[in-house]
Amino acid sequence: GDSVTQMEGPVTLSEEAFLTINCTYTATGYPSLFWYVQYPGEGLQLLLKATKADDKGSNKGFEATYRKETTSFHLEKGSVQVSDSAVYFCALRTGNQFYFGTGTSLTVIP
Amino acid sequence: DAGVTQSPTHLIKTRGQQVTLRCSPKSGHDTVSWYQQALGQGPQFIFQYYEEEERQRGNFPDRFSGHQFPNYSSELNVNALLLGDSALYLCASSPLGLATGELFFGEGSRLTVL
Repeated sequence: GDSVTQMEGPVTLSEEAFLTINCTYTATGYPSLFWYVQYPGEGLQLLLKATKADDKGSNKGFEATYRKETTSFHLEKGSVQVSDSAVYFCALRTGNQFYFGTGTSLTVIP
Repeated sequence: DAGVTQSPTHLIKTRGQQVTLRCSPKSGHDTVSWYQQALGQGPQFIFQYYEEEERQRGNFPDRFSGHQFPNYSSELNVNALLLGDSALYLCASSPLGLATGELFFGEGSRLTVL
């Protein structure tokens, strides 16, 4: 079945460090791919998305490219801030259903 | 513009009891999905409602049931509660046909089963 596998956490980085959170997927057909973020005490919110191969999603300095050949959608940011501390979820959508990864907790220290 | 609202935010039940969780979708959204998020895990799809009917269902037993009302709000019912039902229950809404592909989530209802 369809599924998402993302990098185990937790991840701790110093401010201004480079961030990569790996995400790979298994899906039949042509899924759309998403990164959602959950800040402390808040609900999940969309960070970025890509709907077809080679699309790049970007938002708030975060980027991810839909790589069909490697079935990946890795999240990157060049310089993280303390305010980026949150849990990040990779997800795919096929039809009406979303499949989420287990989440990666990121803590950024000053 | 109110986002997705859920109630109650927290509740405690005992094994064997029944629970009802409520959700009001974001204005303009007619599709509601429910997810279960266990501690340290990602959300797991329970089911989706559209036009007052269950349109798709994940791998959850029949103890989990739902309803959608004409105003698009929705309820999730869980019968015969088990300890393993303890989780954060998330409601997500989207506009017709998932045109944007995006789900809008509420903050969830945290259920503890003792």
